Amino acid sequence: EAQVTQNPRYLITVTGKKLTVTCSQNMNHEYMSWYRQDPGLGLRQIYYSMNVEVTDKGDVPEGYKVSRKEKRNFPLILESPSPNQTSLYFCASSLGPPTTRNTEAFFGQGTRLTVV
Amino acid sequence: AQSVTQPDIHITVSEGASLELRCNYSYGATPYLFWYVQSPGQGLQLLLKYFSGDTLVQGIKGFEAEFKRSQSSFNLRKPSVHWSDAAEYFCAVGAGSGGYQKVTFGTGTKLQVIP
Repeated sequence: EAQVTQNPRYLITVTGKKLTVTCSQNMNHEYMSWYRQDPGLGLRQIYYSMNVEVTDKGDVPEGYKVSRKEKRNFPLILESPSPNQTSLYFCASSLGPPTTRNTEAFFGQGTRLTVV
Repeated sequence: AQSVTQPDIHITVSEGASLELRCNYSYGATPYLFWYVQSPGQGLQLLLKYFSGDTLVQGIKGFEAEFKRSQSSFNLRKPSVHWSDAAEYFCAVGAGSGGYQKVTFGTGTKLQVIP
């Protein structure tokens, strides 16, 4: 089954404790993204990756890191989480980037992160 | 930089009534426009997309959207709403070129369907 898998689904952590949210897709997609969703703000793109070893900042990259060592995986890293990073996070992948015809994005189920 | 505005935060319609969700975008070049739906507790699912050509785009679940360049709009419509359409709807614009490719979402419109 074609899917984007995020783990964990729920996470409560303390300020400053490094964490990683994993994202894996099994569709051989080139373009992958991370978003955060906050009430009243919609989804905001954190980072995106055009392909292996190619990543770039989205609209809200501060406090986050990503890596793309393999095509299928795109982990989101919070080196020193703070309470303002409490949010619902989504990973998404698509065959091609947003300005191509192969751009239907498939989303993971989301990770609800709480930083206390 | 591109932007998307969804002016309606919350809309309530009766089952069987028609629906129109508004979306306005700002982008200097030809936009790539999308509508996604998010059911409670779920990720997002693509309803339809516009790249070029016919300005009336058909999507899944009986939805359609019309691209109007003169109004910078991409409104989503459905002639008869079903209770299962209750969800949050997001308009998005894809922009960029080469290695710079971003997606910007609107803030969403939450649809409530009453019997």
